[in-house]
Amino acid sequence: SAVISQKPSRDICQRGTSLTIQCQVDSQVTMMFWYRQQPGQSLTLIATANQGSEATYESGFVIDKFPISRPNLTFSTLTVSNMSPEDSSIYLCSVEGFPNEQFFGPGTRLTVL
Amino acid sequence: QQPVQSPQAVILREGEDAVINCSSSKALYSVHWYRQKHGEAPVFLMILLKGGEQKGHEKISASFNEKKQQSSLYLTASQLSYSGTYFCGTAEIQGAQKLVFGQGTRLTINP
Repeated sequence: SAVISQKPSRDICQRGTSLTIQCQVDSQVTMMFWYRQQPGQSLTLIATANQGSEATYESGFVIDKFPISRPNLTFSTLTVSNMSPEDSSIYLCSVEGFPNEQFFGPGTRLTVL
Repeated sequence: QQPVQSPQAVILREGEDAVINCSSSKALYSVHWYRQKHGEAPVFLMILLKGGEQKGHEKISASFNEKKQQSSLYLTASQLSYSGTYFCGTAEIQGAQKLVFGQGTRLTINP
């Protein structure tokens, strides 16, 4: 399976600011995904990030709030914009493996005050 | 639509068996099982594809009944390390990696 790293591992941010989360993979992957896990809850897909095209967002998530970049096949960023306390969550990136498997990065624990 | 997992929580003594179920109202292509320990990322356990197959890994196995859109995860002779929250993730389309996760089942193994 791919080795996935995320930065930062955790952060405490003030309301109204933005945070960019990085996801780095040790091998080239076609599809990367960003999930959110609110405290004590399940995982919810935010968007699918494909290299060379705009990210595809799930219902309830918009590009203005969660802009995503995918400059190459090993890297992606997710920005949480104009944060509010409701954005406090764990944000996880994941990548596809073979066959059809999906592996998660260690996550970024975000607290918004 | 989110698959439904049952039970929501279970407490066992070490060595006992457990079954966790995952049910969807939609036709599924695959079911993915993960275990997440507190403060850690979900860890992939196994994937079951359409075709009603069954898989196993040591003392953890799973089945997928595509007619009923149900999957079950079987934990045999549970170990303390099995504690955590188990999630099923479902995909409706072959090759699609978009997973919809159930609400999770919290498993506690006591000595």
